[in-house]
Amino acid sequence: SQELEQSPQSLIVQEGKNLTINCTSSKTLYGLYWYKQKYGEGLIFLMMLQKGGEEKSHEKITAKLDEKKQQSSLHITASQPSHAGIYLCGALPHRPNNDYKLSFGAGTTVTVRA
Amino acid sequence: DAGVTQSPTHLIKTRGQQVTLRCSPKSGHDTVSWYQQALGQGPQFIFQYYEEEERQRGNFPDRFSGHQFPNYSSELNVNALLLGDSALYLCASSPLDRGQAFFGPGTRLTVL
Repeated sequence: SQELEQSPQSLIVQEGKNLTINCTSSKTLYGLYWYKQKYGEGLIFLMMLQKGGEEKSHEKITAKLDEKKQQSSLHITASQPSHAGIYLCGALPHRPNNDYKLSFGAGTTVTVRA
Repeated sequence: DAGVTQSPTHLIKTRGQQVTLRCSPKSGHDTVSWYQQALGQGPQFIFQYYEEEERQRGNFPDRFSGHQFPNYSSELNVNALLLGDSALYLCASSPLDRGQAFFGPGTRLTVL
């Protein structure tokens, strides 16, 4: 089964500072998703990466997928209180073989201090 | 577009009872998946429905069952509730081609 490891487990950042979250897979990925979750709420889609070496940005958030499609990073520039929450990476397996389920990492809790 | 909707938002049950959770997918999506998220963990896949049939199932006991209706909406049923079933239950919808999955706000189930 797909194993996804996220690091760090949690982090505290001063408002205005940058932060990076990593997601590592034990297997090659078909697609890598980044979601944000407020405590006890649903998942908000941030970005999906599919091609090796792909990089996408939205506002102050940038996500990258490495060439081997086994590692992704999420980078937030000049963090704001609105960036606080739990960030989750999810992945679809490389060879579907009728496997459609998203596997998730345990999440990274981000706290932004004013 | 209303996105993915789930009901109810919160639910309290006692051990041994049965519960039904409901999900309406995003417009244009025909595939619905259910996930269980325990506190402090990532979501765990329960099962996925497409064309009113269970297409894939995760590592959950038969107490967990589901249904998909012709309008693509779905239900998750859990029988003989255990304390360990307390969790946030998330519904996700997606198009058939394994595209982007959109999640609903979740149903918080508490089993006493």
